[in-house]
Formats: sequence, C-alpha cells, structure tokens
Amino acid sequence: LAKTTQPISMDSYEGQEVNITCSHNNIATNDYITWYQQFPSQGPRFIIQGYKTKVTNEVASLFIPADRKSSTLSLPRVSLSDTAVYYCLVYNQGGKLIFGQGTELSVKP
Amino acid sequence: EPEVTQTPSHQVTQMGQEVILRCVPISNHLYFYWYRQILGQKVEFLVSFYNNEISEKSEIFDDQFSVERPDGSNFTLKIRSTKLEDSAMYFCASSDDRVEENIQYFGAGTRLSVL
Repeated sequence: LAKTTQPISMDSYEGQEVNITCSHNNIATNDYITWYQQFPSQGPRFIIQGYKTKVTNEVASLFIPADRKSSTLSLPRVSLSDTAVYYCLVYNQGGKLIFGQGTELSVKP
Repeated sequence: EPEVTQTPSHQVTQMGQEVILRCVPISNHLYFYWYRQILGQKVEFLVSFYNNEISEKSEIFDDQFSVERPDGSNFTLKIRSTKLEDSAMYFCASSDDRVEENIQYFGAGTRLSVL
C-alpha cells in the first residue's frame, strides 16, 4: 500500500476554496486515490475517488497530475459544516483501508 | 441513499462482560468490515469478512473478538470479555464487488465504554 503524506491541519474561512494536497510518491500503476471525510464521533464518509486527471462530483473535485505522485482535493466555497478531518488513501484492491492522521480542516466564520 | 446502520449508538459495559455490536450493511454489498477508533487516534482496521468467512484480520482482532453474519442482513462483532482498553468507537463498513475501487461505506459507529 502506498504511503501518503498530507498536512496535519489547515484553516480556512467560509466561502473560500480549500485545496488539500496529498503526496503518494510510491503509488503503483493500479492504485486508486480515494478521499474520505470524518466528522467528530462519526464514521468516515467517502467523498471522491480518481485514477488520473480530474474527477468532479457534487461535493468536491480531485486533481491528479500525470505522474500521479500527488493529488489535490478541492472543496469549493467551504462552509462551517465542512470542518472535519480529511483522509487521503491510496490502494488497488479490496481489503482493509489504512487511515493516517488525515488533515484537520477548520473553517471559521 | 442506502446506508450502513449500527446499533446501539452507545454501549456501556462492565469490564469482563460480553458485548455484541450490530450492523446492517448496505443490502447488495458483499464485503464487510469492522474498524475501531480510540478517542483522539487513527481509525484502525479490525477484520474483513467475505463469503461467510474472515478474509483478513489485524493483530488487534485476537481471540476475544469474533464476527458473525447470523442471517442475510446483520453483521455482528462480539467481544467476549471486555477490557478497559476496548473503549472506542467501533465502525462497521461494507463495499460491493468492485474490488479495485473498494469504496467502503461506513456506519455512524457504536461508542463502547468499558467501566
């Protein structure tokens, strides 16, 4: 499983765009990049997954450069309710998910 | 939107007692998981279950733990003799047969407090 590195914490203000970058230098050819969100005392929630280029859904966008050694989760116009921990995971098959410490995003008014 | 449901939301028990945590995975999913998260720490994998048997388990999942799918809808985690250090949030998750994508959907969790 590829090791990931992401910032421990980030601060933002309501209405701003937030970009959280994750490094995964030893990503394998078949690996997918997946982001989860976790609110306090709740289970992780799937946000978005991608393999290459750009993926967008109703919640976020995921940008993956050609070398796939990093990825950026983009949250447009965050609100207070986006305050959470965001996890970047990289894997290529079923089985256990290995969560790191994630990025604790704090959105202020 | 289909979701994973867990009961109870909070379980308080005395050390040495047995507890059963219950989960109803998403109905057409084939893979089931248990994770735990001690307060302030990372989410940790416990066990995965497929085709009515354990497919993988972590070092945490020792002989005190067991899982079962007693019927077509429930998935349970049993802790035979709880210890203080078992106090944590326990999350159930499930995923469908798209193994490479492996998108796991988590329940809201059961907070286990061992006194």
